[in-house]
Amino acid sequence: EVQLVESGGGLVEPGGSLRLSCAASGFTFSTYSMDWVRQAPGKGLEWVSSITSSSSYTYYADSVKGRFTISRDNARNSLFLQMNSLRAEDTAVYYCASELGSHAFDIWGQGTMVTVSS
Amino acid sequence: DIQMTQSPSSVSASVGDRVTITCRASHDISAWLAWYQQMPGKAPKLLIYGASSLQSGVPLRFSGSGSGTEFTLTISSLQPEDFGTYSCQQTINFPFTFGPGTKVDIK
Repeated sequence: EVQLVESGGGLVEPGGSLRLSCAASGFTFSTYSMDWVRQAPGKGLEWVSSITSSSSYTYYADSVKGRFTISRDNARNSLFLQMNSLRAEDTAVYYCASELGSHAFDIWGQGTMVTVSS
Repeated sequence: DIQMTQSPSSVSASVGDRVTITCRASHDISAWLAWYQQMPGKAPKLLIYGASSLQSGVPLRFSGSGSGTEFTLTISSLQPEDFGTYSCQQTINFPFTFGPGTKVDIK
């Protein structure tokens, strides 16, 4: 079964850090660019970050640039998002997703909730 | 950044109705557009990519059209399971911006 499973979310104080993980199975993970997308409570979808299949290139939304780092381990079929200097506005469900050649996101995880609050 | 807008913001329709949602981009994005359906509490599901290509497994009542700056998603005959929020996304340039979403309710 083709699947993405996120983990690592939780409650963190402003200024704190979290590392999200996304475990892939059922497809050739190492050949896909991968992305993180978030959705604040009651809001729309916001693209966060992207990484190419061999980690050659990474891209970030301006809202997280300099604070978040995307990475992957193709040997372990895993994607990561290191989130530092967290702010209240980073509170959201974070989804990992795989990209088709058209850059559309065809496989999504179930999401992991990140809450930034004191 | 490319801004995406959608209209209407919500629509209530009956089973069997034809429903059309419009998405507009602030710049020419050719056919680099995707459509997603999201049900409450669930992850988005890809419906259409490349503006008009139907994702595998998606019912044929869904179709997409358009290029440049104006796009449409059409549900030819609305079914009870089609409720949810529909969002467009441009995939030509980073950041891959999404539209604000259109909420579809079944009357």
